[in-house]
Amino acid sequence: ETGVTQTPRHLVMGMTNKKSLKCEQHLGHNAMYWYKQSAKKPLELMFVYNFKEQTENNSVPSRFSPECPNSSHLFLHLHTLQPEDSALYLCASSQLGGELFFGEGSRLTVL
Amino acid sequence: SQQGEEDPQALSIQEGENATMNCSYKTSINNLQWYRQNSGRGLVHLILIRSNEREKHSGRLRVTLDTSKKSSSLLITASRAADTASYFCATDAKGSSNTGKLIFGQGTTLQVKP
Repeated sequence: ETGVTQTPRHLVMGMTNKKSLKCEQHLGHNAMYWYKQSAKKPLELMFVYNFKEQTENNSVPSRFSPECPNSSHLFLHLHTLQPEDSALYLCASSQLGGELFFGEGSRLTVL
Repeated sequence: SQQGEEDPQALSIQEGENATMNCSYKTSINNLQWYRQNSGRGLVHLILIRSNEREKHSGRLRVTLDTSKKSSSLLITASRAADTASYFCATDAKGSSNTGKLIFGQGTTLQVKP
């Protein structure tokens, strides 16, 4: 138990579906992150939020839409995804500049 | 461009042996971190070494940092089958600590045979 909870753990969706991934941290951290992990590729930073404000968008396609309503919750809204978006999506939190605490990930399959 | 690159990509050793993994990076950094990931799970932080430190220990882990060569190594001593996992280095480029931009390498997959 890392203090970062991701739901759902597994998600299968069609290309026309709309779904959301949820992340919640109970560590009192002020920064939250979304990373994408695909097979045979390095972990890719997608978004960074610091005190609810987005501080990094790593050229992520608009079909991925993040939302950070408060410092403890982070969402990733998914819309009209492509099969190549299938991956493990990892949420993490930290005090800015410190070590990251990761959730267990949401395994996404796009059909 | 990719910040950290690990070497080797895969390593297979016998239980009890030591495992050494290397990481190279490209820009000046504030700190370098090592993480471990069991298959299909989230990453777990192992150790953080700051740019003004040269060596750090944590249990069976020893990390070195050479900022002149822009490289780091992770040594796991007396390995155990439970150490089987992927190991990643991650760096935050100098000046990026206010954005939290941490860049990961491709990782080294370690297999420890019982």
